[in-house]
Amino acid sequence: GQNIDQPTEMTATEGAIVQINCTYQTSGFNGLFWYQQHAGEAPTFLSYNVLDGLEEKGRFSSFLSRSKGYSYLLLKELQMKDSASYLCAVLDSNYQLIWGAGTKLIIKP
Amino acid sequence: ETGVTQTPRHLVMGMTNKKSLKCEQHLGHNAMYWYKQSAKKPLELMFVYNFKEQTENNSVPSRFSPECPNSSHLFLHLHTLQPEDSALYLCASSQGSGAGADTQYFGPGTRLTVL
Repeated sequence: GQNIDQPTEMTATEGAIVQINCTYQTSGFNGLFWYQQHAGEAPTFLSYNVLDGLEEKGRFSSFLSRSKGYSYLLLKELQMKDSASYLCAVLDSNYQLIWGAGTKLIIKP
Repeated sequence: ETGVTQTPRHLVMGMTNKKSLKCEQHLGHNAMYWYKQSAKKPLELMFVYNFKEQTENNSVPSRFSPECPNSSHLFLHLHTLQPEDSALYLCASSQGSGAGADTQYFGPGTRLTVL
């Protein structure tokens, strides 16, 4: 079966750095997405990785290792507004999106 | 604002009611999706429309009936729902090029409660 694993919940301190991991086992791979979802709001697109390595976008970076079936989302200089759920999703060989259950990130002052 | 709107934002209905959820996208996309999001579970894809044609129905019970009159509008008609159908229903759209990675843009969802 296809599976995406990510921690259920994480807590971090304002101003710090946090890394949210995502491991996957899917039928083929055509890229990995990260989305951010604030409570009661739409998931919003953060990043897409299809090649190995680190992609940096401001305070957010996303890393991919296809050989390890692994990705992480790195958030730097955390702000209170970063409190949200972070969803990892993999595009399989049929271009179907397989979703993780999301990681709820709590930022404390 | 993601360019995808959904109405209503909240809906409470009895098991014998009939209601409809509406989604509209202002992005010029050709593909639209319905998802079900339950607490602490992955998003469940329900239906996909590409250029107004249904291309995916993930074994969804017939009490959920989608309708896509054009590329900008998507409806989900609900009837005789069960309490376990209570969830957040998300609509999304994408370019719908038919191949390659296609980023999906989501609406804010309809929070549905079935009594």
